[in-house]
Amino acid sequence: EPEVTQTPSHQVTQMGQEVILRCVPISNHLYFYWYRQILGQKVEFLVSFYNNEISEKSEIFDDQFSVERPDGSNFTLKIRSTKLEDSAMYFCASSDPIGGSSQPQHFGDGTRLSIL
Amino acid sequence: DAKTTQPTSMDCAEGRAANLPCNHSTISGNEYVYWYRQIHSQGPQYIIHGLKNNETNEMASLIITEDRKSSTLILPHATLRDTAVYYCIPPNNLFFGTGTRLTVIP
Repeated sequence: EPEVTQTPSHQVTQMGQEVILRCVPISNHLYFYWYRQILGQKVEFLVSFYNNEISEKSEIFDDQFSVERPDGSNFTLKIRSTKLEDSAMYFCASSDPIGGSSQPQHFGDGTRLSIL
Repeated sequence: DAKTTQPTSMDCAEGRAANLPCNHSTISGNEYVYWYRQIHSQGPQYIIHGLKNNETNEMASLIITEDRKSSTLILPHATLRDTAVYYCIPPNNLFFGTGTRLTVIP
């Protein structure tokens, strides 16, 4: 069964540094998402992306964050100047275009981001 | 946006059916209800979704009340591997709540 893959599985970065989290969505999917989960807390929506633009974003997704689909397979989340509170699991998800965005999302296993 | 309400936690004996309720009284007529689960710190996993008819797949059954104000996810024979946090969310509502922590007891 096709999967969403995320790399790296664990990223350790110094505070203030830029970090890029990478995701390869399922190949025929056209809706892409990023979520984060701080340890012990709930899954929080960050951003959704369709047709090469952001379709929705949460209050968490401020100017520090950006997303990009640099080629036909990757979907990236960039955090420009990391802060301690950015430490979390970051999940990428994708969904099938048939029926619009109201399709089940398929999640990757996440990238654990640790800011020192 | 439609909101959902779920119990914080539930226990279920191994081999018995687990029935997880969800209230979604503000859901609109054409909105599906989706169920996901998260096992430990893994990515959420899609389980099932439905509009107004009951649905069944290899993982679970979904019973939706006639007025669509609530639904119940049924795991017919719970195993220890079903211990997880279960979320019901309407579509286009990308916000996971706190879900129900299901613990399957040997």
